[in-house]
Amino acid sequence: EADIYQTPRYLVIGTGKKITLECSQTMGHDKMYWYQQDPGMELHLIHYSYGVNSTEKGDLSSESTVSRIRTEHFPLTLESARPSHTSQYLCASGLPAETGELFFGEGSRLTVL
Amino acid sequence: GQNIDQPTEMTATEGAIVQINCTYQTSGFNGLFWYQQHAGEAPTFLSYNVLDGLEEKGRFSSFLSRSKGYSYLLLKELQMKDSASYLCAVMDSNYQLIWGAGTKLIIKP
Repeated sequence: EADIYQTPRYLVIGTGKKITLECSQTMGHDKMYWYQQDPGMELHLIHYSYGVNSTEKGDLSSESTVSRIRTEHFPLTLESARPSHTSQYLCASGLPAETGELFFGEGSRLTVL
Repeated sequence: GQNIDQPTEMTATEGAIVQINCTYQTSGFNGLFWYQQHAGEAPTFLSYNVLDGLEEKGRFSSFLSRSKGYSYLLLKELQMKDSASYLCAVMDSNYQLIWGAGTKLIIKP
């Protein structure tokens, strides 16, 4: 079983609020990723990190920011939530280039009213 | 542009065999992945192909042809629990994963 955790699992907030989605992994992986996924749609990369103090934007940075101060922790922050941010957010870590495997958290389902 | 194509939905019968195809056009190639995703859950890893040919893992097998930009996932002895979406993803030359929209597999008794 993968040791990667996301909180909150579900969140309903109002427009304009600032929120942080938490992601932690205990596998010591350097590479971590945030994806956004709508029902029945492909995963879209929002941000990724190759290690401490390394963060990069994906093709859907979505007015969000990330930080990587510790190897195990990779939080995602939405500065001002909008209804268009309503989606499922998935955090992942792994060694895709070496083993091909990404481990995913259970996801954070966000609804912005 | 980069794209991954797979059928949107497939239906199969319990105990049968089903093949889910995936074609890709990407900037470079560093491996092809198959993931399983049950409704409302996170994806879980199934297979990773870097070289041409067939990789078998229990009831699941994955095939790759790099020259054709083509892969398939073969599921044998289907069980009801195999009802899920199956995601094809390719790692491009920048080692980024490009994801398909997934194939929803419906298993009927």
